[in-house]
Amino acid sequence: AQKVTQAQTEISVVEKEDVTLDCVYETRDTTYYLFWYKQPPSGELVFLIRRNSFDEQNEISGRYSWNFQKSTSSFNFTITASQVVDSAVYFCALSEADYGQNFVFGPGTRLSVLP
Amino acid sequence: DTAVSQTPKYLVTQMGNDKSIKCEQNLGHDTMYWYKQDSKKFLKIMFSYNNKELIINETVPNRFSPKSPDKAHLNLHINSLELGDSAVYFCASSQGWDTQGEQYFGPGTRLTVT
Repeated sequence: AQKVTQAQTEISVVEKEDVTLDCVYETRDTTYYLFWYKQPPSGELVFLIRRNSFDEQNEISGRYSWNFQKSTSSFNFTITASQVVDSAVYFCALSEADYGQNFVFGPGTRLSVLP
Repeated sequence: DTAVSQTPKYLVTQMGNDKSIKCEQNLGHDTMYWYKQDSKKFLKIMFSYNNKELIINETVPNRFSPKSPDKAHLNLHINSLELGDSAVYFCASSQGWDTQGEQYFGPGTRLTVT
């Protein structure tokens, strides 16, 4: 069955530290999509990235980077030089292509960046 | 312009009442969704509509009924509200017919049932 695990419930770092948020997924599909969303304290959900299962290239966007490894079924998210504005709950999500239209979020990791 | 809007933002009501939450998107997307986020922040998809047709209907009590009058709107009607329905409900939309595209979320509606 499709499943997303984010083992880190809460993480606290001091500003300017690097932090990695882990995401491990399970799926029967060979074609699937992985996502990261950010939910700041204001409550809205903000899309960060989408990655399909055939593209294992790592991605960098400013201070954000993502490491996708099919061999370990992981899609980890790293914030470099964290800032207070990065404080939020971060969700990893999985969408399967072959078994109907299903979209599953992980439980989220609450990141607190302290000044 | 707001891409995905929901009304109301807050909804406080008593058990047993019937209420509706409205959602509209102006992105021209084909697919719309409803999600429920509980007090522990768990997000779960409830429904997905593509071009006014139901695509996903997760295990949701039939007290919840989505209605899509047109492609740009997906409203959520809830009958006989229960305490356990208290949550934040998010509407979202995406281009295409599946859940593989980037989803744009509304601001959420915080429903409190007393």
